[in-house]
Amino acid sequence: DQQVKQNSPSLSVQEGRISILNCDYTNSMFDYFLWYKKYPAEGPTFLISISSIKDKNEDGRFTVFLNKSAKHLSLHIVPSQPGDSAVYFCAASDSGGSNYKLTFGKGTLLTVNP
Amino acid sequence: DAGVTQSPTHLIKTRGQHVTLRCSPISGHKSVSWYQQVLGQGPQFIFQYYEKEERGRGNFPDRFSARQFPNYSSELNVNALLLGDSALYLCASSLAWGYNEQFFGPGTRLTVL
Repeated sequence: DQQVKQNSPSLSVQEGRISILNCDYTNSMFDYFLWYKKYPAEGPTFLISISSIKDKNEDGRFTVFLNKSAKHLSLHIVPSQPGDSAVYFCAASDSGGSNYKLTFGKGTLLTVNP
Repeated sequence: DAGVTQSPTHLIKTRGQHVTLRCSPISGHKSVSWYQQVLGQGPQFIFQYYEKEERGRGNFPDRFSARQFPNYSSELNVNALLLGDSALYLCASSLAWGYNEQFFGPGTRLTVL
């Protein structure tokens, strides 16, 4: 039973345009959400996070939106750059649980074309 | 400052063998977690340690064990290796208990033949 779903295995966008990566979750106990970027042969790199008490968080070109009622979050990258090409993972945490483990989606491969 | 470091980078073992993977967290970080990532999937939680105590365990068999040392480094042990244990093993550190942000190392690529 996948509690975090990234339904688009891949996404291709043109340089300079907006990239929108989507993530859905089923566990209503999740209250903290994170996005990671992963290049081949490297570990995931933390990008941005959002607490469930917020609906938006920005950091430079990256913005994460959270819609709690829909159990949906999205990562917007504006403008997209070729160096953004990587696999993006959505992750969620239940801070009220007994640990702070992260539950990950399967990832979305973003390709930014020059 | 150095990030999370893991050793070895790559490892090839045969079925039935034992393996030990090592991790050093970011300086000042006291919590370490281990994840397994198989091809085409997201990382899956194996263990979480804080102040040398196991704080969480994922759905993995007892062949998997781990520990954290007084300097907050950690090792993951896997006994009686199976072909299905072939994966990228990721270590992540976080500042302390209660911090959701985890920072990952480059991983150890384990191949079981």
